Amino acid sequence: DAKTTQPNSMESNEEEPVHLPCNHSTISGTDYIHWYRQLPSQGPEYVIHGLTSNVNNRMASLAIAEDRKSSTLILHRATLRDAAVYYCILRMDSSYKLIFGSGTRLLVRP
Amino acid sequence: DVKVTQSSRYLVKRTGEKVFLECVQDMDHENMFWYRQDPGLGLRLIYFSYDVKMKEKGDIPEGYSVSREKKERFSLILESASTNQTSMYLCASSPRNWSEYEQYFGPGTRLTVT
Repeated sequence: DAKTTQPNSMESNEEEPVHLPCNHSTISGTDYIHWYRQLPSQGPEYVIHGLTSNVNNRMASLAIAEDRKSSTLILHRATLRDAAVYYCILRMDSSYKLIFGSGTRLLVRP
Repeated sequence: DVKVTQSSRYLVKRTGEKVFLECVQDMDHENMFWYRQDPGLGLRLIYFSYDVKMKEKGDIPEGYSVSREKKERFSLILESASTNQTSMYLCASSPRNWSEYEQYFGPGTRLTVT
């Protein structure tokens, strides 16, 4: 299974944008890039996913490098409720498996 | 909104007891999953079910079994609980469509085996 590398932790100020990086240099052509987050005392929550093109939804944006070896999750205006562990995951097309790594713990300062 | 519910948030059991963890989803999803989450090890897949009465082993199935008699319900069974099964257990569900694939997680059950 392809692996992802994320920083252990990041800090942000409330109402500022946050860019969460993820490296996945061994990604294959059929791997989807997924992001989930886990708020304290809750199960993981889907954030966004993409294959090659940048993606936007109501929660975040996903910027994927042209060579697909890295991606960045962008929270446009961090709120205190965005404090969570963010997981970058590669999922093979046709596979049900999500392989969770250790993620990035995001701290949001008021 | 998709809802995945788990029968208990906290559970304390004794070594050797048989333990049932129940999970129910209300979105008619074909796929259901059981994970455990431990500090430093992340989430690890225990079992997966893609249809009623169908199941596949995940990465760490030893010591566990599952049951899926109805589409909306997926049970995880610890036949004889041991202290190394103390963990957070998370259930998830997803539709069968692989191309638009996200898993919806329940709130988790924190199981302590003493």
